Amino acid sequence: GAVVSQHPSRVICKSGTSVKIECRSLDFQATTMFWYRQFPKQSLMLMATSNEGSKATYEQGVEKDKFLINHASLTLSTLTVTSAHPEDSSFYICSANVRGNYGYTFGSGTRLTVV
Amino acid sequence: QKEVEQNSGPLSVPEGAIASLNCTYSDRGSQSFFWYRQYSGKSPELIMSIYSNGDKEDGRFTAQLNKASQYVSLLIRDSQPSDSATYLCAVKGAGTASKLTFGTGTRLQVTL
Repeated sequence: GAVVSQHPSRVICKSGTSVKIECRSLDFQATTMFWYRQFPKQSLMLMATSNEGSKATYEQGVEKDKFLINHASLTLSTLTVTSAHPEDSSFYICSANVRGNYGYTFGSGTRLTVV
Repeated sequence: QKEVEQNSGPLSVPEGAIASLNCTYSDRGSQSFFWYRQYSGKSPELIMSIYSNGDKEDGRFTAQLNKASQYVSLLIRDSQPSDSATYLCAVKGAGTASKLTFGTGTRLQVTL
């Protein structure tokens, strides 16, 4: 089946630094990648939708200059949290829409802790 | 009104019983409906998808959809302790690349 590989699974960084999270579709071409954030005991909140070769679409309230998304190829999308602060600490999950399929495949998630 | 609503629970059922999880949605144009299971600290995994009215069964799981009532449910038969998790209802609009909207999830506890 369709697999999305997400790295790193865990990262601890200092406040003010930037962190890059990668999601790769291993056996299919991900035309669209969705980036979610999940705070403890809350549901997944969509941050942005990225389409290969075009600018990402951000949900209301999500700062596009802080959360940089790049989807340069059909198999790789990245999320960079710039100038991270403790309030950015969260569980970040990517999800890909498989071309021609209504299904969505999730990456394994990245636990970001900003100290 | 939230787009996708679920009772947060916890829903506690004894081992071997049937667990019934419910979800309502507000967008009548929604086309696809999904149930995901999420263990603590892990990403969601797809349990069931359903696209047309009626029931869909897969092993111990049955998804039910009623578009007129904007209601979708998940039944888990012969509940096992390993079923203890948060169950997320997700709804997708028209179009193959439409985003999923998630409910807040229902925490299920299966007791011995």
